Amino acid sequence: KAGVTQTPRYLIKTRGQQVTLSCSPISGHRSVSWYQQTPGQGLQFLFEYFSETQRNKGNFPGRFSGRQFSNSRSEMNVSTLELGDSALYLCASRNPGQGDETQYFGPGTRLLVL
Amino acid sequence: GIQVEQSPPDLILQEGANSTLRCNFSDSVNNLQWFHQNPWGQLINLFYIPSGTKQNGRLSATTVATERYSLLYISSSQTTDSGVYFCAVPYKLSFGAGTTVTVRA
Repeated sequence: KAGVTQTPRYLIKTRGQQVTLSCSPISGHRSVSWYQQTPGQGLQFLFEYFSETQRNKGNFPGRFSGRQFSNSRSEMNVSTLELGDSALYLCASRNPGQGDETQYFGPGTRLLVL
Repeated sequence: GIQVEQSPPDLILQEGANSTLRCNFSDSVNNLQWFHQNPWGQLINLFYIPSGTKQNGRLSATTVATERYSLLYISSSQTTDSGVYFCAVPYKLSFGAGTTVTVRA
């Protein structure tokens, strides 16, 4: 099976712009979670989608949003970018309720906001 | 949410040495994972280990769920083992702060 894929891998934006990141989970996985990783804050959970519905949400402002499509692919959007949004954004997929809760991560998208 | 604490925060090893990383969690869990993050940022799944012991080559892990901790053992460390090791409770979407391991040749 192919692993979790994320596009783009690298992105440079300026303050005030918006950005959309994409994540394709492992085939058959119905849950996609998004994380932000920064040197100062570590790995922080953004949100989780399961069967096109947001199931959990972390402590991030409303500028961060996401969605999941019927094929389980997910996108996250950050509007009105701030310098502090520069980070590695990771998505992960798993298949809850199937006895194995193993979470698999994609390679990440590195976002730099200038 | 569940709190996950890892120790030590940093570990410097000479190549060939053995080491133990610890992960404590604040509540009972029914799943726990160990990851290795390589220098490019990729999180590699090492173990899915809600309880018991598993081994994979030079790495092994033990989770004692009743006492709320897990251990990751690295034996005969190699420079390629360098990186950050995370434990996480995926179901609770909680990550530890990680242990940064540096293996010197």
